[in-house]
Amino acid sequence: DTGVSQDPRHKITKRGQNVTFRCDPISEHNRLYWYRQTLGQGPEFLTYFQNEAQLEKSRLLSDRFSAERPKGSFSTLEIQRTEQGDSAMYLCASSPQRRQYFGPGTRLTVL
Amino acid sequence: GQQVMQIPQYQHVQEGEDFTTYCNSSTTLSNIQWYKQRPGGHPVFLIQLVKSGEVKKQKRLTFQFGEAKKNSSLHITATQTTDVGTYFCAGERAEGAQKLVFGQGTRLTINP
Repeated sequence: DTGVSQDPRHKITKRGQNVTFRCDPISEHNRLYWYRQTLGQGPEFLTYFQNEAQLEKSRLLSDRFSAERPKGSFSTLEIQRTEQGDSAMYLCASSPQRRQYFGPGTRLTVL
Repeated sequence: GQQVMQIPQYQHVQEGEDFTTYCNSSTTLSNIQWYKQRPGGHPVFLIQLVKSGEVKKQKRLTFQFGEAKKNSSLHITATQTTDVGTYFCAGERAEGAQKLVFGQGTRLTINP
């Protein structure tokens, strides 16, 4: 257990529905990252926060994806109008500097 | 954009044999990190390499960072069943983008 928690751990939804995931980082870490991981692949960068500021967003992230980190603490990742191609493990990681501490992930299945 | 390639994709060894995975970046890196992901688990940090030509050891694991800071390797001596998992390298660009680009990983399986 790294101290990073994610909720829910599993989410099954129907195509077209909206889903929201939450990440609670290690409290003293100012950096928070979201990744997507599909089977047999490495984590793919989605977006990154330094405190409450969203500093970078992957070009792969469509406008259906949005992330927030109000007050620089927990973060949420929302996917609107889900598609079957969104099915993946969504990983959150927090970091004090370079080393990243990953949470257990939220596995999304879109039917 | 930056790409990080890792080979081999899979490696199956007999327990006690050595194992090596190689990582190559399309761009110069400020640092490279290695993570291990057990089946059903999440990536766990192993080590960070920063200096050109750096070599670090952790028990049976040896990590190297190339002179040009574009490639790296992880070598495990005398594998044990506890080494099973997928090993990822992840590079941070020299411009200090503060984000990691992961390779696709090398999945290691071991025959006891």
